[in-house]
Amino acid sequence: QQQVKQSPQSLIVQKGGISIINCAYENTAFDYFPWYQQFPGKGPALLIAIRPDVSEKKEGRFTISFNKSAKQFSLHIMDSQPGDSATYFCAASRQGAQKLVFGQGTRLTINP
Amino acid sequence: NAGVTQTPKFQVLKTGQSMTLQCAQDMNHEYMSWYRQDPGMGLRLIHYSVGAGITDQGEVPNGYNVSRSTTEDFPLRLLSAAPSQTSVYFCASSQEAGGAFFGQGTRLTVV
Repeated sequence: QQQVKQSPQSLIVQKGGISIINCAYENTAFDYFPWYQQFPGKGPALLIAIRPDVSEKKEGRFTISFNKSAKQFSLHIMDSQPGDSATYFCAASRQGAQKLVFGQGTRLTINP
Repeated sequence: NAGVTQTPKFQVLKTGQSMTLQCAQDMNHEYMSWYRQDPGMGLRLIHYSVGAGITDQGEVPNGYNVSRSTTEDFPLRLLSAAPSQTSVYFCASSQEAGGAFFGQGTRLTVV
């Protein structure tokens, strides 16, 4: 079964706009929620991560919002740039990053 | 400091052949994992290891074997390749606290 559901599958945003990608999870035992960025031909790279004891974490233009009661978390990319065009994956796990459950991915395109 | 290194980058196999995908990390991480990436399905965990000599199955382990004789290396063996194993394979390493670092991937085609 798909324990982490990600939407949308693809997203087009104008340069300077806000990109928002959403994820929902089922397993309430998950305690680590990272987002990964992947460029074509490359491996996923950790972008930002959050644990359920906080509702928001910001690093530069990237923010994770976390809603524990709704079992949802989202990635917001502020002032989106063409260089942000990539595939983004949310993930979740228990006890660290060695057994990640991934969402299906979102292909983000930032139009100049 | 190379991080996580995977070899080969590309491989074509015939059905029934066996091969080993290599993975090495130089960060002294305890944990290592193998994932496969298929279109529209994200990455799925094949096998993982929490330390030398300790391995366990992930979500999709059938048709694959692993071993971990050293902290640095975590090879993935395909016993008898099938077309359903055509995929991109990623190795990752991590500490107990902190994110996972992924290699560049091995693109495998089974014909």
